[in-house]
Amino acid sequence: AQSVTQLDSHVSVSEGTPVLLRCNYSSSYSPSLFWYVQHPNKGLQLLLKYTSAATLVKGINGFEAEFKKSETSFHLTKPSAHMSDAAEYFCVVSEGDTGRRALTFGSGTRLQVQP
Amino acid sequence: DTGVSQDPRHKITKRGQNVTFRCDPISEHNRLYWYRQTLGQGPEFLTYFQNEAQLEKSRLLSDRFSAERPKGSFSTLEIQRTEQGDSAMYLCASSLAGTVRGELFFGEGSRLTVL
Repeated sequence: AQSVTQLDSHVSVSEGTPVLLRCNYSSSYSPSLFWYVQHPNKGLQLLLKYTSAATLVKGINGFEAEFKKSETSFHLTKPSAHMSDAAEYFCVVSEGDTGRRALTFGSGTRLQVQP
Repeated sequence: DTGVSQDPRHKITKRGQNVTFRCDPISEHNRLYWYRQTLGQGPEFLTYFQNEAQLEKSRLLSDRFSAERPKGSFSTLEIQRTEQGDSAMYLCASSLAGTVRGELFFGEGSRLTVL
């Protein structure tokens, strides 16, 4: 069975400072991992994905994440936060070879960006 | 806009009433998913269609819930005899077979409030 743990329910940073959102996963197979972002009253949007290629993955809006198998982690980072980054972020794990339901979402991390 | 659209965006109903939500996926996408999201939680998988075939259902999908995708295009999710515990955001997502699993396109959701 697969699972995801987002270690912080809320993270607050100042604009222009680095962002770190932490995620640990558990999977019986070689997983695919994703980060999704949800802005208020908007649909979930894919930020980035890891699918067993390069372990450092770059996504949209300057975000990146590093897959560390030994630590079972997939933390999301950004060098400099922007006010528009304030949103809910979900770490997601997928396993299996089909397009079936295999996505398991974490409980989310709310990112607050202070001016 | 050719993204995933959901209707209605908000529904308030009384306990015991039936409600139906509609999802129109991106036109060329043959996979369609329903998820449920409650406050402070990540989305939870409900069911998945490939074309018109419902291939998987979560145990969260009780007998009061039914989903259809009759022509492999739009989908409906019906909840019969609603309960207060059904209050949640119901999310629809779509994807194209053969693309990276987990890369889903989400609608903005249908929020259900059961009084």
